[in-house]
Amino acid sequence: GENVEQHPSTLSVQEGDSAVIKCTYSDSASNYFPWYKQELGKGPQLIIDIRSNVGEKKDQRIAVTLNKTAKHFSLHITETQPEDSAVYFCAASIPNTGNQFYFGTGTSLTVIP
Amino acid sequence: GAVVSQHPSWVICKSGTSVKIECRSLDFQATTMFWYRQFPKQSLMLMATSNEGSKATYEQGVEKDKFLINHASLTLSTLTVTSAHPEDSSFYICSARGKSGQFFGPGTRLTVL
Repeated sequence: GENVEQHPSTLSVQEGDSAVIKCTYSDSASNYFPWYKQELGKGPQLIIDIRSNVGEKKDQRIAVTLNKTAKHFSLHITETQPEDSAVYFCAASIPNTGNQFYFGTGTSLTVIP
Repeated sequence: GAVVSQHPSWVICKSGTSVKIECRSLDFQATTMFWYRQFPKQSLMLMATSNEGSKATYEQGVEKDKFLINHASLTLSTLTVTSAHPEDSSFYICSARGKSGQFFGPGTRLTVL
């Protein structure tokens, strides 16, 4: 099955700086890569996603890049704000496997005011 | 749009009792619903996948007789933790997949005394 690794496990940045979280996956058949933000005591919220036919996607301060050859994808948050502090999870999905998501281990992001 | 609700948001019960958690897709039809379990500071672990009108598919190591899943309609799935024990205490999160993607509920915190 798919194996998703995520780094770093914790990340602290100063407000206004950028944050980058990286994930790798093992199964080249994976074709959908969402990123979720989870605040304490809440369920994950989809913040951005990318499909394998696209190399980069951007939504305001958030961007995701995908390198299919290297089998890795990254989340980029620019101009970070304290409210960006949360745990971020990457995931990979393989088609025709019941749409199961394979999650990374999470990154706890702290934005220091 | 794409809102998934869970009820209750938290529950405390005595050991040996059963607890039912509801998951609803409020504004879309969910052909597939997923149930996850999350321990503190850990990633989401898929417990089972259910398609409307059919039996749930459980992940390896998840006892189907202990975690009963019913997906009776395109907007409702329930997870019943039978004969709960303290080790079942966890954060349970459902996820519903519709045409526009997969969305997570806010989670249910279960504490078994």
